[in-house]
Amino acid sequence: GAGVSQSPRYKVAKRGQDVALRCDPISGHVSLFWYQQALGQGPEFLTYFQNEAQLDKSGLPSDRFFAERPEGSVSTLKIQRTQQEDSAVYLCASSLVGGALTDTQYFGPGTRLTVL
Amino acid sequence: ILNVEQSPQSLHVQEGDSTNFTCSFPSSNFYALHWYRWETAKSPEALFVMTLNGDEKKKGRISATLNTKEGYSYLYIKGSQPEDSATYLCAFIEVYSGGGADGLTFGKGTHLIIQP
Repeated sequence: GAGVSQSPRYKVAKRGQDVALRCDPISGHVSLFWYQQALGQGPEFLTYFQNEAQLDKSGLPSDRFFAERPEGSVSTLKIQRTQQEDSAVYLCASSLVGGALTDTQYFGPGTRLTVL
Repeated sequence: ILNVEQSPQSLHVQEGDSTNFTCSFPSSNFYALHWYRWETAKSPEALFVMTLNGDEKKKGRISATLNTKEGYSYLYIKGSQPEDSATYLCAFIEVYSGGGADGLTFGKGTHLIIQP
């Protein structure tokens, strides 16, 4: 069965460019998470959706970061005016149930963003 | 800021040997601990979700234990094989005072290399 997919897998942007990263969760999964993994660090939570509702965006590092999931399935993470410190792997994960703290999160392969 | 520590940072093990490594987390407000295996160029793969003090979980040659009172979990691999080479991540979920919690808080991982 299809897992979580992300596109593009690699993105190189010039500083100041806007980028959009896409996540296709497992069909029927209610919850969707975005994480950022900087080099040498563990993934860090960015934001969480339950269906189309963005219930937690406390991890978004600045107002240049914006995420949406308008129809409760595909999600897009947008970064405006990219900076070098935005270079990281961006991971998306989905889980079947909304609000279940012990539900397994299924991860995509990530998008590696490099800002020059 | 939650402090989730994993040790060692990296580990070289001979094929056939058994090994273990540690995840330390805050012992207060514990809700759940997740273990993931992340092979290079692949998606993080869920291994275990652990919730109860004294929990022991097993999947093939891999097992994990949980001590919530002292704030640690051990992951054990018996008879290491080359395909076990990966980064092993633990992730902690805390119960907030409001009773909810969303994203996982990850450690930096233990990078395991099995040498033939």
